[in-house]
Amino acid sequence: EAGVTQSPTHLIKTRGQQATLRCSPISGHTSVYWYQQALGLGLQFLLWYDEGEERNRGNFPPRFSGRQFPNYSSELNVNALELEDSALYLCASGGPGEQYFGPGTRLTVT
Amino acid sequence: KNEVEQSPQNLTAQEGEFITINCSYSVGISALHWLQQHPGGGIVSLFMLSSGKKKHGRLIATINIQEKHSSLHITASHPRDSAVYICAVNRRVGGATNKLIFGTGTLLAVQP
Repeated sequence: EAGVTQSPTHLIKTRGQQATLRCSPISGHTSVYWYQQALGLGLQFLLWYDEGEERNRGNFPPRFSGRQFPNYSSELNVNALELEDSALYLCASGGPGEQYFGPGTRLTVT
Repeated sequence: KNEVEQSPQNLTAQEGEFITINCSYSVGISALHWLQQHPGGGIVSLFMLSSGKKKHGRLIATINIQEKHSSLHITASHPRDSAVYICAVNRRVGGATNKLIFGTGTLLAVQP
């Protein structure tokens, strides 16, 4: 069974640009979660999508947004990139009480 | 105070040693996860626990719901076990249990 996949693996952008990160959940999972791990910081919850809707949001500015498609894959969009947005972005999929992580996308903002 | 606390923050062991990493939490949970992150790498889910004990190879995870405590044990440690080990809990938020709260991680270095 395929695990959670994320693309791209690495992404380099300049300040002010927009970044789009993608995640495909494990087949059968309807929930997708996004997390950020900035350098020197722990993992922080970003967004939770379930059945196409945003269910919960972490303490991040509106520049961070996303969506979930009918096939349950998800996009995370970061607008007006700032240097401190450089981080590893992890996606996870699952159901109640379970989450399986993807390999992450490393975003570098220069 | 963090809702999920791990100890120790840093741990250096000699190859072959038995290793224990502890996690305590202060919120109601539905499940607890142990995650492994190698330097520069993504995260691998090692265990998901809601009660009792699980074993996978040389790794053992236990949880005591009443005491709000979990331990991750590594038997016969090896340099390839060197990584950051992260404890995370699914916090009960109203009726939802899907929000993960992470500990700060334990950096383990196993020396040959």
